[in-house]
Amino acid sequence: RKEVEQDPGPFNVPEGATVAFNCTYSNSASQSFFWYRQDCRKEPKLLMSVYSSGNEDGRFTAQLNRASQYISLLIRDSKLSDSATYLCVVRTGANNLFFGTGTRLTVIP
Amino acid sequence: EPEVTQTPSHQVTQMGQEVILRCVPISNHLYFYWYRQILGQKVEFLVSFYNNEISEKSEIFDDQFSVERPDGSNFTLKIRSTKLEDSAMYFCASSAPDRRSGANVLTFGAGSRLTVL
Repeated sequence: RKEVEQDPGPFNVPEGATVAFNCTYSNSASQSFFWYRQDCRKEPKLLMSVYSSGNEDGRFTAQLNRASQYISLLIRDSKLSDSATYLCVVRTGANNLFFGTGTRLTVIP
Repeated sequence: EPEVTQTPSHQVTQMGQEVILRCVPISNHLYFYWYRQILGQKVEFLVSFYNNEISEKSEIFDDQFSVERPDGSNFTLKIRSTKLEDSAMYFCASSAPDRRSGANVLTFGAGSRLTVL
């Protein structure tokens, strides 16, 4: 079973749309959760950490449901610059991060 | 904004050769990592390094791989006797605790693309 599972997409949405990505993780002992974004052939960059109470950063909202082992990311008012692959990332253990395969988003003018 | 710096950006090598990938982590970070991403696949953990020793490694990180911190700034990944399947993007990262949660948050370098022919 994969440590982190994501719908690979692609999601093609018009500018201004709201889009939601989901992620599940298999290890109930996982401790920390993140969303990273990765542009084509570039490094992953931290978008936001995901806190137990849920958190918002501008147009981005992340939620964590530990009981269901489920993480979500909501992007409101999509911009062309939001086009990227969004990586769900889970820490289990001291330092090891497990990455999902990513969900590709394309925002269309 | 502080950066993790990696060199070379791209290296082409013949199968069986040894390569060394170099990284300069962010100066006040204490944990260092190597990850790899085969084209079209997910990012995979290789190894983490703390206090001048390996703290955790994956099954991928076998005897073919080694890491070293030869001085106070560089962090290197050596791949011996390269194979075709070692072709990938290799990302170095370093981490510091998140201010709110205390969890280590990784900053990645731009990557070194390794092509084994």
